[in-house]
Amino acid sequence: SQQGEEDPQALSIQEGENATMNCSYKTSINNLQWYRQNSGRGLVHLILIRSNEREKHSGRLRVTLDTSKKSSSLLITASRAADTASYFCAPGGNNRLAFGKGNQVVVIP
Amino acid sequence: ETGVTQSPTHLIKTRGQQVTLRCSSQSGHNTVSWYQQALGQGPQFIFQYYREEENGRGNFPPRFSGLQFPNYSSELNVNALELDDSALYLCASSPDRATEAFFGQGTRLTVV
Repeated sequence: SQQGEEDPQALSIQEGENATMNCSYKTSINNLQWYRQNSGRGLVHLILIRSNEREKHSGRLRVTLDTSKKSSSLLITASRAADTASYFCAPGGNNRLAFGKGNQVVVIP
Repeated sequence: ETGVTQSPTHLIKTRGQQVTLRCSSQSGHNTVSWYQQALGQGPQFIFQYYREEENGRGNFPPRFSGLQFPNYSSELNVNALELDDSALYLCASSPDRATEAFFGQGTRLTVV
């Protein structure tokens, strides 16, 4: 299916450390997006990477995409307590985003 | 803030009732999608509207229906509410069908 599957599902790190999350999917995509959700409220768009791109940066975020392995990773550098949230990948490119269950990230001050 | 507003923020309904949720898109966005997020799960795609026409539907029964208006705002209607319909309902607008989506804060629906 096009649904993203995040790994690990839960991650606890100290403030200042880097956090890495992985996402796998099963079908061909046009792009893949990463979102953050705080406390079960609305999702915040973090970054979109297109299928012809291999890496993309936005501030402290670095996203990679390997279409041959059907996988993506999200790296948050120098994590802060405010980065505590659920992170979702969404493989897509048609008319829908297929979210997985998400990564629960806790950054300990 | 994404510019996408949803109303109401919380709602309690009784099983069997009908509910209408509303979404105001970000200015300039012609695409609206609706998602259902059960507790502890990722959002599940319900349907999408593009320029007032339905442009794809997820695995939801016909009692979930929607509308998009000429100003691109949207409604989600759910008939014959069931207990399992209790969830966070998220609306997202996009400038086009296959680009990044901007989400509202959601409507928390509780069916009792």
